[in-house]
Amino acid sequence: GENVEQHPSTLSVQEGDSAVIKCTYSDSASNYFPWYKQELGKRPQLIIDIRSNVGEKKDQRIAVTLNKTAKHFSLHITETQPEDSAVYFCAAIARGVSGGGNKLTFGTGTQLKVEL
Amino acid sequence: EAQVTQNPRYLITVTGKKLTVTCSQNMNHEYMSWYRQDPGLGLRQIYYSMNVEVTDKGDVPEGYKVSRKEKRNFPLILESPSPNQTSLYFCASSPLGNQPQHFGDGTRLSIL
Repeated sequence: GENVEQHPSTLSVQEGDSAVIKCTYSDSASNYFPWYKQELGKRPQLIIDIRSNVGEKKDQRIAVTLNKTAKHFSLHITETQPEDSAVYFCAAIARGVSGGGNKLTFGTGTQLKVEL
Repeated sequence: EAQVTQNPRYLITVTGKKLTVTCSQNMNHEYMSWYRQDPGLGLRQIYYSMNVEVTDKGDVPEGYKVSRKEKRNFPLILESPSPNQTSLYFCASSPLGNQPQHFGDGTRLSIL
């Protein structure tokens, strides 16, 4: 089955600096890679996603890059702000146990802290 | 308002006492899913459903059951809960599996 590894587990940056979180996946059939942000005590919320036919996607201060050959994808946050402090999860969609369907596997999360 | 509603939000119960956590969505989504969240382990998928009467195992299905008799509802059943099922549970839905998930507010289960 799919295995998603995420690094680092914690990341501390100064306000205004950039933050990069990296994930690798194992199933070459994976074709959809979302990123979720979870603030303390809240539900996860999608911040950006990318599909396997695209190498990069950007939305204001957030960007995601995908390298299918190496099977890794990364989240880039520029000009970080205190409100970016949260836990970030990457995920990958792959085949289900039965061979069909869409099974979603998450990374273990990165606690990002933006310091003033 | 588009939403995924889970009930209960909090539950403390004892080992072996069957319980059901309900999940309902009002967005006419095909795909629904259950996750458990544990410190250091992230979100792990328990079961998912591509459509009515179509369910499949996620990464950690042991000890759980689900059913999808109606499009809007996807209950999670713990037939004989054990302490290792103490966790924060999230239900989510999306139009299709490979699209953004909309999460509920979570259910915190404590099994003593």
